[in-house]
Amino acid sequence: GQQVMQIPQYQHVQEGEDFTTYCNSSTTLSNIQWYKQRPGGHPVFLIQLVKSGEVKKQKRLTFQFGEAKKNSSLHITATQTTDVGTYFCAGYSGTYKYIFGTGTRLKVLA
Amino acid sequence: ETGVTQSPTHLIKTRGQQVTLRCSSQSGHNTVSWYQQALGQGPQFIFQYYREEENGRGNFPPRFSGLQFPNYSSELNVNALELDDSALYLCASSFSLSDYYGYTFGSGTRLTVV
Repeated sequence: GQQVMQIPQYQHVQEGEDFTTYCNSSTTLSNIQWYKQRPGGHPVFLIQLVKSGEVKKQKRLTFQFGEAKKNSSLHITATQTTDVGTYFCAGYSGTYKYIFGTGTRLKVLA
Repeated sequence: ETGVTQSPTHLIKTRGQQVTLRCSSQSGHNTVSWYQQALGQGPQFIFQYYREEENGRGNFPPRFSGLQFPNYSSELNVNALELDDSALYLCASSFSLSDYYGYTFGSGTRLTVV
């Protein structure tokens, strides 16, 4: 079946360092969404990417959708302690709705 | 504007029992999706309801069933509970099938099967 993998699984960074998580799908996606889940919390929607090669920015966060629509990335510039949490990508294939990735757990050391 | 509310927050059940989890969707949202999230894993899609009809199902056995009511609230029922059913169950609502603004998730129900 369709799989959505994310790397790395864990990332520890010093506050102020940059962070990137990568999302790879085994199939072409119609669109992709990104969510953040704080420890003990629930996923919170960040953004949706639809077009091939699309790049979107939200303050310190930059999201990219690959040209082949099978991969995506989230880059955070100058991390802050408030960025702590697990970041999930979720790909829409049209059949089973949104397939969530395995997640990248970010820890920011002050 | 109210968010997505789920009840109960926590639940402990015995293997073989049945459980019903409830979800009230965000105001204005008529699509509800249910996800199962095991500890340290990403949410796994169970099924989605749109206007009271099941609109897609993930790789879950028939003992996982659901309902959506005219007010768009929803229930998830699980029969013959197994130990592996222990997880966080998340309900997510969206405005119709057009989910440009993403899913709004509830805080979840933590189910423990012993």
